[in-house]
Amino acid sequence: NAGVTQTPKFRILKIGQSMTLQCTQDMNHNYMYWYRQDPGMGLKLIYYSVGAGITDKGEVPNGYNVSRSTTEDFPLRLELAAPSQTSVYFCASSSTGTGFGGYTFGSGTRLTVV
Amino acid sequence: AQTVTQSQPEMSVQEAETVTLSCTYDTSESDYYLFWYKQPPSRQMILVIRQEAYKQQNATENRFSVNFQKAAKSFSLKISDSQLGDAAMYFCAYRSAGYTGANSKLTFGKGITLSVRP
Repeated sequence: NAGVTQTPKFRILKIGQSMTLQCTQDMNHNYMYWYRQDPGMGLKLIYYSVGAGITDKGEVPNGYNVSRSTTEDFPLRLELAAPSQTSVYFCASSSTGTGFGGYTFGSGTRLTVV
Repeated sequence: AQTVTQSQPEMSVQEAETVTLSCTYDTSESDYYLFWYKQPPSRQMILVIRQEAYKQQNATENRFSVNFQKAAKSFSLKISDSQLGDAAMYFCAYRSAGYTGANSKLTFGKGITLSVRP
């Protein structure tokens, strides 16, 4: 059981380039989330999804896009990368929107924009 | 909106000693969940312990226990018999109960870096 798998683990982008961060879960979870972690700032929600075909913005969605065509996959797209998007990105999933279970996190992607 | 505050950016503890990490939160809700996550240098987010707000009994997981004070909106983590492997960043997090969509998100504090001295 792999849980939540994120790829790549590291990436360096040049300003203006685009890329997609991949996230796949094999637990049949309906809820999936993308967070970014900046030093001294905790984790901030970028986008979330409550099921295939349904996505919505979190606290810091500007500069990002997502899609959810299947239950398993929730890719995060960065268009026109900017230095402010240098961060560590986490994908997470949970079985429902409520309940005590907390999240299952991926191992993160460290992105540097230069 | 809920907020989570971890006011101590760093703490240090001697191996085998006990340390307490502080967390306060602000909410108008009566039913919610609280979590402590550990993030070692590997970056992986690991659930340490969780607490249901309607339960007065403090949660315990081996060497980890919490002091949950609902009226004071305080949720501190106590680590007993500290080990070198406990060195990590620790995040306190809040989640609403009974809601879906955006309210299902975890709201995190800024984290605290714990170092363990041998």
